[in-house]
Amino acid sequence: GENVEQHPSTLSVQEGDSAVIKCTYSDSASNYFPWYKQELGKGPQLIIDIRSNVGEKKDQRIAVTLNKTAKHFSLHITETQPEDSAVYFCAASPPSNDYKLSFGAGTTVTVRA
Amino acid sequence: DTAVSQTPKYLVTQMGNDKSIKCEQNLGHDTMYWYKQDSKKFLKIMFSYNNKELIINETVPNRFSPKSPDKAHLNLHINSLELGDSAVYFCASSQVGGPSEQYFGPGTRLTVT
Repeated sequence: GENVEQHPSTLSVQEGDSAVIKCTYSDSASNYFPWYKQELGKGPQLIIDIRSNVGEKKDQRIAVTLNKTAKHFSLHITETQPEDSAVYFCAASPPSNDYKLSFGAGTTVTVRA
Repeated sequence: DTAVSQTPKYLVTQMGNDKSIKCEQNLGHDTMYWYKQDSKKFLKIMFSYNNKELIINETVPNRFSPKSPDKAHLNLHINSLELGDSAVYFCASSQVGGPSEQYFGPGTRLTVT
């Protein structure tokens, strides 16, 4: 099955700086890569996703890049703000009939004011 | 207006008891999921139903039994609760037709004493 590794496990950045989280996946057939943000006491919420036919996607201060050859993808958050403090999860989904997501272990991001 | 709701939000019970967690979604989605999030925040798929049919059944003790009375509801019943069952359980739903955004509920924190 798919195995997703995520680094770093914790990340502390100064407000206004950029944050980068990296993930690798094992199944070269995976074709869907979402990123979820989980705030304290809440369920995860999708913030951005990318499919394997695209190399990069941006949404305001958030961007995701995908390198299919190396089987890794990254989340970039620019101009970080205190409300960006949360746990971020990457995930990967191989083509199948069950739409199963395999999640990384999560990155706890703290934005220092 | 709540998209995915779970009850109860907190559940404290003793070892050996049987308990249920209920989940409802009003998004019109065909696919629903149960995830377990352990104390280290790791998210692991347990079950998935597509239009009331079980499509994912991960390696989960058979003390856990999901039930989907209709495509808007997916309940989780746990028999003979053990200390290791303590975790946060999340319900989620998504559209059928390919991997896509999963909408998570607020979670149920289960504590077994």
